[in-house]
Amino acid sequence: KAGVTQTPRYLIKTRGQQVTLSCSPISGHRSVSWYQQTPGQGLQFLFEYFSETQRNKGNFPGRFSGRQFSNSRSEMNVSTLELGDSALYLCASSPGGTRRVNSGANVLTFGAGSRLTVL
Amino acid sequence: AQKVTQAQTEISVVEKEDVTLDCVYETRDTTYYLFWYKQPPSGELVFLIRRNSFDEQNEISGRYSWNFQKSTSSFNFTITASQVVDSAVYFCALRSSIQGAQKLVFGQGTRLTINP
Repeated sequence: KAGVTQTPRYLIKTRGQQVTLSCSPISGHRSVSWYQQTPGQGLQFLFEYFSETQRNKGNFPGRFSGRQFSNSRSEMNVSTLELGDSALYLCASSPGGTRRVNSGANVLTFGAGSRLTVL
Repeated sequence: AQKVTQAQTEISVVEKEDVTLDCVYETRDTTYYLFWYKQPPSGELVFLIRRNSFDEQNEISGRYSWNFQKSTSSFNFTITASQVVDSAVYFCALRSSIQGAQKLVFGQGTRLTINP
């Protein structure tokens, strides 16, 4: 069973540009979450999508957005890049069929991440 | 507020030593899950264990063991007879019904180095 696939793995952008990152979840998983990892702030939740709808959102500016397609694949976009956006962006998927926090169906499986460097 | 604290930033031990990684959490929710993830140099977070707030039974899985104590809000992780392959960054995480089922709050991580 293939894991969570993220593309691209590495990319370099300059300030002011925008970037789109892609995530293909495990087959059958309908929930996709995104996390940002930086040395200073650690791992922080960006947002979660389920059945093409944003179900939860972290405390990030509107420059960060995402979407999910009917096949559960997800993309996140960061516009007007800033130096502080340099980070490892991790995608995670889960079956997600229930919002009950105690459900085993909600164990997150993470991808290897997309490392973004903003110059 | 939901918070996870891993006070140990870095730990370095010699192979075959036992090592314990500490995790302290804060939540006002009565229903929550605790997790440990491992992040090797390749970058992906690898799930190790989860424990729900109603189950304080400690667990042993091979060389790994976990000690969950609600009285002290701690969920510590011990590696027995450590091996070089255990070198990684380890994260403790909290998920509660207040935050939503897919949102994890992570600690800052503990970088574990096992020296041969």
